[in-house]
Amino acid sequence: AQSVTQLDSQVPVFEEAPVELRCNYSSSVSVYLFWYVQYPNQGLQLLLKYLSGSTLVKGINGFEAEFNKSQTSFHLRKPSVHISDTAEYFCAVRSPGGSYIPTFGRGTSLIVHP
Amino acid sequence: KAGVTQTPRYLIKTRGQQVTLSCSPISGHRSVSWYQQTPGQGLQFLFEYFSETQRNKGNFPGRFSGRQFSNSRSEMNVSTLELGDSALYLCASSLEGGSISPIGYTFGSGTRLTVV
Repeated sequence: AQSVTQLDSQVPVFEEAPVELRCNYSSSVSVYLFWYVQYPNQGLQLLLKYLSGSTLVKGINGFEAEFNKSQTSFHLRKPSVHISDTAEYFCAVRSPGGSYIPTFGRGTSLIVHP
Repeated sequence: KAGVTQTPRYLIKTRGQQVTLSCSPISGHRSVSWYQQTPGQGLQFLFEYFSETQRNKGNFPGRFSGRQFSNSRSEMNVSTLELGDSALYLCASSLEGGSISPIGYTFGSGTRLTVV
């Protein structure tokens, strides 16, 4: 069975500051990893994904994430946030085989203050 | 190209009633998944349909059902509504199936269901 833990339910940060949203997963097999963003009153939008290869993955809107197999982590980072980055962020894990259904974390609310 | 379309956007129903939600996936996507999102439980997987067949199912009671049509459009139905069914219901479509590399989901904007 696979699971995802997003360690912070809420992360407040000032505009133009760097941010890291943490995600840890547990799985007995290799994994695919995803980050999604959800703006108010909208569905989730894919930010980036890790399937294989380079452990540093770049996504949309200036976000990037690093896959760390030894620490079973996939933290999301952005060097300088904007007010418009205020949203809910979800980490998700999926095994390559078997069910195609990802397991989502509980989400982290990023709040960017001016 | 058009995204995932969910209708209606908002619904208010009374306890005991039933409701049908609709989802039109991205053209060419054969997989449609449904999720229930609530503040307390986060995103919970309901079921997935692929080529008109239910391929995966989450841990929800039988009051929750769904189907997929030959054009990949999907509906989910909730019968005998309870107050706890109030949630945002999200539909997600994907190309996935067989050996296709995972591209991730494309989500619709959701249907906000309120049960009173």
